[in-house]
Order: sequence, then structure tokens, then C-alpha cells
Amino acid sequence: SQQGEEDPQALSIQEGENATMNCSYKTSINNLQWYRQNSGRGLVHLILIRSNEREKHSGRLRVTLDTSKKSSSLLITASRAADTASYFCATVLGTYKYIFGTGTRLKVLA
Amino acid sequence: DADVTQTPRNRITKTGKRIMLECSQTKGHDRMYWYRQDPGLGLRLIYYSFDVKDINKGEISDGYSVSRQAQAKFSLSLESAIPNQTALYFCATSDLLPAGELFFGEGSRLTVL
Repeated sequence: SQQGEEDPQALSIQEGENATMNCSYKTSINNLQWYRQNSGRGLVHLILIRSNEREKHSGRLRVTLDTSKKSSSLLITASRAADTASYFCATVLGTYKYIFGTGTRLKVLA
Repeated sequence: DADVTQTPRNRITKTGKRIMLECSQTKGHDRMYWYRQDPGLGLRLIYYSFDVKDINKGEISDGYSVSRQAQAKFSLSLESAIPNQTALYFCATSDLLPAGELFFGEGSRLTVL
């Protein structure tokens, strides 16, 4: 079964709005990572949050992690059309086991 | 040039044919991975390698084999392709830092008729 599950599956917003997507997982993790995938392209790493961290920022990205609820959220502020992509969370177990969720498809309308 | 290069980018083949997907990297990473992406299923790990002599099966290795020819090269083979192996295949690398970020190639789209 999937370790990470993103919610919502799809999200459509206007340019300038914030986009929030969530990831839930089932077991203890080493860290949790978020990746972006443009249509038909490879995944690109966005941000990593360790299990002992609660919040992390990178530019317009804000990630939170709640290990008690086994959940994470990715917030993209002031969305741009170029943010249109699929976003995946990956929970990392141990040192090499990356388990990807099924992704959230974000569409930012200009 | 891309840090992680996959060839071919697209391939259409017939059931029963042998197919090799190649991956080369210039990042100097020891760890390399092959993933498969199917709609609605996310990415699933096929094989991973921590160095040239260390190759391990992932969660869906049946029907696949790999070869680590050098630190920079990791190939995935389908000995006898079948239609349910139609998918987008990704090679990824990571450095020795445990559980660090993955660097992905652009993918190889394989269609088995």
C-alpha cells in the first residue's frame, strides 16, 4: 500500500493565490521530501524536512511536518502559471527507501 | 548537458522483445536507482545500487534486470517485454548522505504492444 498519499488529487487556482497540498503517511520516517514534476519530465527536488523539524521555508515554499499526525503540507505562496505541475511527497525510511505518493496535480490559471 | 541522462527517451516495442534502458550520470554519485511511474500509482522502485558491486531488488523487480557497468552507468533490461510493462521509467541518483535528495533523469517512456 502507498506510504504517502497526497490530497487533493487535483487543484486549480488563479495566479497570485496560495496553493496548499497535503501528504499523509503511515510509518515512522527519516525525513520527508517534496518533488515537482512538469508534464512528462523528470522529478525535481523542492525541499526536505527532517523528522525532528516542524517547519521549513524555501523561497515561496513552506513545508510543515506533524509526526504525531503523520502528515505534511506544502504551501506555495503567490502562485504563478509556471508552478503548474504535479507535486509529490516522498517519505524516506531508513537511508535508501523513498516511497512516493500519487501526487497532486496543480494548475495555476493566468 | 543534463546531470542524469536516460536513453532512449521514447521506445515502442513488441511483446517478447528484449529492451535495455540506459542511464548515465555526471554527478559522481555512488547511489543509483530505477523507478517506474504509472498513472495513479506514483513511483515504484525497481532496483537500486549503492556502488558497482552492490545491486539490490526493489519492490517490483520481477521481469527486470540491471547492470552497473561503472559508477556512472546503470542499465535496466526487460528480457521479454510484456504490455503491462508499458510505463515511464526514471533513473535517479543520490550521494552518500543517507536519505538525501534524489536527482532524476528526464525519463524513458516505454510502450509495449
